[in-house]
Amino acid sequence: EDQVTQSPEALRLQEGESSSLNCSYTVSGLRGLFWYRQDPGKGPEFLFTLYSAGEEKEKERLKATLTKKESFLHITAPKPEDSATYLCAVRRDNYGQNFVFGPGTRLSVLP
Amino acid sequence: ETGVTQTPRHLVMGMTNKKSLKCEQHLGHNAMYWYKQSAKKPLELMFVYNFKEQTENNSVPSRFSPECPNSSHLFLHLHTLQPEDSALYLCASSQVGNDSPLHFGNGTRLTVT
Repeated sequence: EDQVTQSPEALRLQEGESSSLNCSYTVSGLRGLFWYRQDPGKGPEFLFTLYSAGEEKEKERLKATLTKKESFLHITAPKPEDSATYLCAVRRDNYGQNFVFGPGTRLSVLP
Repeated sequence: ETGVTQTPRHLVMGMTNKKSLKCEQHLGHNAMYWYKQSAKKPLELMFVYNFKEQTENNSVPSRFSPECPNSSHLFLHLHTLQPEDSALYLCASSQVGNDSPLHFGNGTRLTVT
């Protein structure tokens, strides 16, 4: 059964304290792994797409990496405005738009 | 208006009411989706429409009825809901056939009393 898990469930960091979030997946026919950020009361906001092992993407303090079994979202020197829930999702085929989401990691960055 | 817009943002309804959620996308996409987000659970796909045709219905109870009149508009008609249906309902769109991610609206927070 296709499955996406994320760890930790919640993470509290001090401002400037770098860390990583994990997304592990078991899916047949991966056609992309996606990272989203979700603020309270809002819909998920797209961050990155990764397609193949070894690929990396960066945006400001965030860097996403991908292996054959998992993806990491590295947060370097986070700021309080980085506090949000981070979701990852995998797409199983190109046409059917069949996405499976993980439960998310709730990140709090304290000033 | 840009992106994906959903109305209303909040909705409280009794179990015997009938209401509708509305979604409109301004991105020129050709696929639209309804997702349900409950506390501490992953997003659950409810319905998918590609080119206005429903292509997926993830065993959703018949008290939820989707409607997609064109590629820019999507509705979710609700009737005789249960308290466990209280959740955040998210609409999303994408472009089928390329590597487009999902683009989400800000959701409708539904409370069933």
